[in-house]
Amino acid sequence: AQSVSQHNHHVILSEAASLELGCNYSYGGTVNLFWYVQYPGQHLQLLLKYFSGDPLVKGIKGFEAEFIKSKFSFNLRKPSVQWSDTAEYFCAVGTAGNKLTFGGGTRVLVKP
Amino acid sequence: DAGVIQSPRHEVTEMGQEVTLRCKPISGHDYLFWYRQTMMRGLELLIYFNNNVPIDDSGMPEDRFSAKMPNASFSTLKIQPSEPRDSAVYFCASSLGVGYTEAFFGQGTRLTVV
Repeated sequence: AQSVSQHNHHVILSEAASLELGCNYSYGGTVNLFWYVQYPGQHLQLLLKYFSGDPLVKGIKGFEAEFIKSKFSFNLRKPSVQWSDTAEYFCAVGTAGNKLTFGGGTRVLVKP
Repeated sequence: DAGVIQSPRHEVTEMGQEVTLRCKPISGHDYLFWYRQTMMRGLELLIYFNNNVPIDDSGMPEDRFSAKMPNASFSTLKIQPSEPRDSAVYFCASSLGVGYTEAFFGQGTRLTVV
């Protein structure tokens, strides 16, 4: 069965700092990869997705992620965070049968 | 489109009572997912449907939980009898057909069992 691991449970950083969140998955077949964001009290929203092609994908709000197939990783990055980026971030893997499995999430707190 | 619609947004019930959560997926989406989110366990996939047929219910915690999808525009998740440990936010999500695994989430139902 597929699984998704997010290395950091909590991240605290100051505004303008750079952010990188790790995500690794285990699955032997073809995958689609996603990062979702959940702002406090809200539902999950898609930040970016990778289906095929260029392994460096850009999403909304200045976020980007890089798919490294050999490492089974899909790390999320943002060069300069803002206070409004305070949220929980979820990595997800879509596999055969359209099954979507999420990682445990990383809570990010950006201090003003 | 209004997106995935869930009702109710909040539910408070007493232990032992039956609880029914409702979901209307985005029109035209073939897949519907039910997730549960708790602090301890994160976001868990409970069950998902394809064209109204349950595909994988291995995440359903126990027999007290059941889910149905009588038609393409409606699904329910029922807990009977409810227990305090069922308290969580339950999300419904839908996605387009095979190969389009991006899921769109509803606002969630916050369930509190006292």
